[in-house]
Formats: sequence, structure tokens, C-alpha cells
Amino acid sequence: DVKVTQSSRYLVKRTGEKVFLECVQDMDHENMFWYRQDPGLGLRLIYFSYDVKMKEKGDIPEGYSVSREKKERFSLILESASTNQTSMYLCASSFFGQPQHFGDGTRLSIL
Amino acid sequence: QQQVKQSPQSLIVQKGGISIINCAYENTAFDYFPWYQQFPGKGPALLIAIRPDVSEKKEGRFTISFNKSAKQFSLHIMDSQPGDSATYFCASRSGAGSYQLTFGKGTKLSVIP
Repeated sequence: DVKVTQSSRYLVKRTGEKVFLECVQDMDHENMFWYRQDPGLGLRLIYFSYDVKMKEKGDIPEGYSVSREKKERFSLILESASTNQTSMYLCASSFFGQPQHFGDGTRLSIL
Repeated sequence: QQQVKQSPQSLIVQKGGISIINCAYENTAFDYFPWYQQFPGKGPALLIAIRPDVSEKKEGRFTISFNKSAKQFSLHIMDSQPGDSATYFCASRSGAGSYQLTFGKGTKLSVIP
């Protein structure tokens, strides 16, 4: 069975901290995505990657960066966490095109 | 920013009834229209998708109807079951080869016995 695994289900951090969210997929997929999900706003794309070390900005990249050093792993980095980054973060992957498989999300709270 | 407008925001349907969720888009370059299903505590899962060269696609109890001239598409769930209770998102892809999806804001469906 295909699997996208996010390292933490819940995370609490303080403002100004550097935060790392990790995602691993076991399907040898080329594409990986980071979305943010907020009530009433749906899903918004932060960054995606179509190959190792390759990345593209999505709709809301400000305040975030990403890293993809290995094909199976895609990391989202909050350089200096702020309270408006409190949200549910979803990682996804696909062999080609748009996201097919999502992880179960990391609920991040910034205090 | 290109939008996808989804309605209703929430929907209550009796078991055995038909659930209908609607989406409207603006960008005529959108060329792929998926629907995702999300259960509480889980990530979204791709449910069914359609391309604009067909007017309808059916998979089991789930049907997408597509109206290109009106720039609208809808999800119909026939014989709705309590296990269908979830949040449903429509989305649109901004052109062939694009990785970008524009999502609707979601519809929370509750199917009551």
C-alpha cells in the first residue's frame, strides 16, 4: 500500500524558532508537495518539487523554504516561526502531475 | 488569483439520498478537475477526476458532471451512506503539464441514518 509519512502529527513551537517538518514517501514518486490547510480556505500550495534538489514556489511561499536532498524525502522549513503559521500542514506526492497521495498532516501550533 | 468556488459549505443528507456538491471556475485554461475526499484526522485522497472533453464520469456511486460552457462541475454521490461523511474538495488544474491545483474551500458532508 502506498504511503506518505509525516514525521509528527502534532507540534508546538515558539515564535522565532526554526521549525522543520519532514515527509517521506515510499512510492519512488518524482513529485512532492507541501500544502497548508486552514478552515474556510481549503488547501494552498506552499512549495513543490519535481526532482531531487529542484523546487518551485507555490501560492504562499513567504516565510517558508524547502529541501529535497533525496528522492523520498521532502522537508518544509519555517525559518522564523510566527503565530500566523499555525496551521495544518499536508505533504503529498505523485508520479507525475498533481498530487495523488497525501500524508495525514502535521498540526503545527506556534505560541 | 484564479478561483474555484465551491458550494454548499456544508450538507446534510439522509442515508440513501443523493448528495450534490457544486464547483464553478473562472479560468478557461483549466484542463483537469479532480475531487478529493478527506476524513477527519486524515489527509485528502483523490476520489475521482474528469477532463473537459467529456461531460460525465462515473465510478461506482460517485459521478462527476461537467458543463464546459457554464464553467461548472459537480459531484453526485448516489445512495449516500454514513461512511461517505467527510469533507469534499473540488480542484482545477491550470493547464497541461502544470503541477498547480486550485482548490475549492471544501464541503462538509454529513449522511444521517
